[in-house]
Amino acid sequence: DSGVTQTPKHLITATGQRVTLRCSPRSGDLSVYWYQQSLDQGLQFLIQYYNGEERAKGNILERFSAQQFPDLHSELNLSSLELGDSALYFCASSIGDFSGNTIYFGEGSWLTVV
Amino acid sequence: EDQVTQSPEALRLQEGESSSLNCSYTVSGLRGLFWYRQDPGKGPEFLFTLYSAGEEKEKERLKATLTKKESFLHITAPKPEDSATYLCAVQASGNTGKLIFGQGTTLQVKP
Repeated sequence: DSGVTQTPKHLITATGQRVTLRCSPRSGDLSVYWYQQSLDQGLQFLIQYYNGEERAKGNILERFSAQQFPDLHSELNLSSLELGDSALYFCASSIGDFSGNTIYFGEGSWLTVV
Repeated sequence: EDQVTQSPEALRLQEGESSSLNCSYTVSGLRGLFWYRQDPGKGPEFLFTLYSAGEEKEKERLKATLTKKESFLHITAPKPEDSATYLCAVQASGNTGKLIFGQGTTLQVKP
């Protein structure tokens, strides 16, 4: 158990809908990262927050947004869902905001868009 | 562009048959190279971080090494429970800790 908690574990929704994925980082960690894993793309970095502020952005679609709240939990919002958004979405956390810190991953939220 | 390439894509071993997984990288200023293990449908499990060429780290049957261009994950006398996908990732210089992952090597160890 990495200490990173993600909910829900599984989610099935229809195209065009909006979903919210939730993440609680490990105790004491200030950075939260979101990654997307699909069969053909591997693990792709989406976005990083550090202590409530956006730190880095990857290839995150405009339909996707995220935020980190004062209690350090984070939410990833996915809207206008398409079939191609079906993937495993991972949250990860680390103590600091940049390199050198070990990053621990949660168990993921499996999103299926039908 | 920062890039990570892992080989082979898949590897089948007999129990006890030692081998190595390769991770080649190009990155603008390496801050750290990470190895993770991932079981199907699960999150990546942290194994090692290497920071500079020549560094080595060991954990049970696994040993990770780092040069200026690549890293190796050596598996000594593997057991069936070592079957998993092994992911390599790099952290580049800059003010972000984001990881750039390779596609992974899927290891199957047969009894």
